Amino acid sequence: KAGVTQTPRYLIKTRGQQVTLSCSPISGHRSVSWYQQTPGQGLQFLFEYFSETQRNKGNFPGRFSGRQFSNSRSEMNVSTLELGDSALYLCASSPGPVNTEAFFGQGTRLTVV
Amino acid sequence: QKEVEQNSGPLSVPEGAIASLNCTYSDRGSQSFFWYRQYSGKSPELIMFIYSNGDKEDGRFTAQLNKASQYVSLLIRDSQPSDSATYLCAVNTGGFKTIFGAGTRLFVKA
Repeated sequence: KAGVTQTPRYLIKTRGQQVTLSCSPISGHRSVSWYQQTPGQGLQFLFEYFSETQRNKGNFPGRFSGRQFSNSRSEMNVSTLELGDSALYLCASSPGPVNTEAFFGQGTRLTVV
Repeated sequence: QKEVEQNSGPLSVPEGAIASLNCTYSDRGSQSFFWYRQYSGKSPELIMFIYSNGDKEDGRFTAQLNKASQYVSLLIRDSQPSDSATYLCAVNTGGFKTIFGAGTRLFVKA
């Protein structure tokens, strides 16, 4: 069974640009969560999707958005990139719908210059 | 007060000893609790989950949950150098949101 796949693995962007990251969950999993990981802040919750609906959102500015498609694949978008957005972005999939264990992808390392 | 708190460490134990990792959480309504292991440069890997008060054992790992004290712990028996990693405590608050602690760095000395 394939794991969680995130693309791309690495990305370098310039301040002010926007970026879209993709996550394909484990087959049959319907919940996808996104996290930002930095050395100083640890793992910070961005948002969670289940069956194409955003069910919860963390304390991030509106520049961070996401969506989930009918096949459970998810994308997150960051507009008007700032240097502080440089981080490892992790996607985790769960069978859902509540309180179940999550499995992480390898992450996308975003560097904003 | 942080929602999920862990001692950042580092915690250093000799090979073969028991490593004890602790975590406290603030939301009394929290329903499920997880321990992840993260090696440097890798993504977190689930090692244990626990939903009910008491102990849950899986091989060398034992998770302990005390909801009254809002406390979760992970014991690693017969610690091996390969157990050296950062251990993340995660708590699902029931609102489709799982919050992670900052992690405890564990070093197992050969």
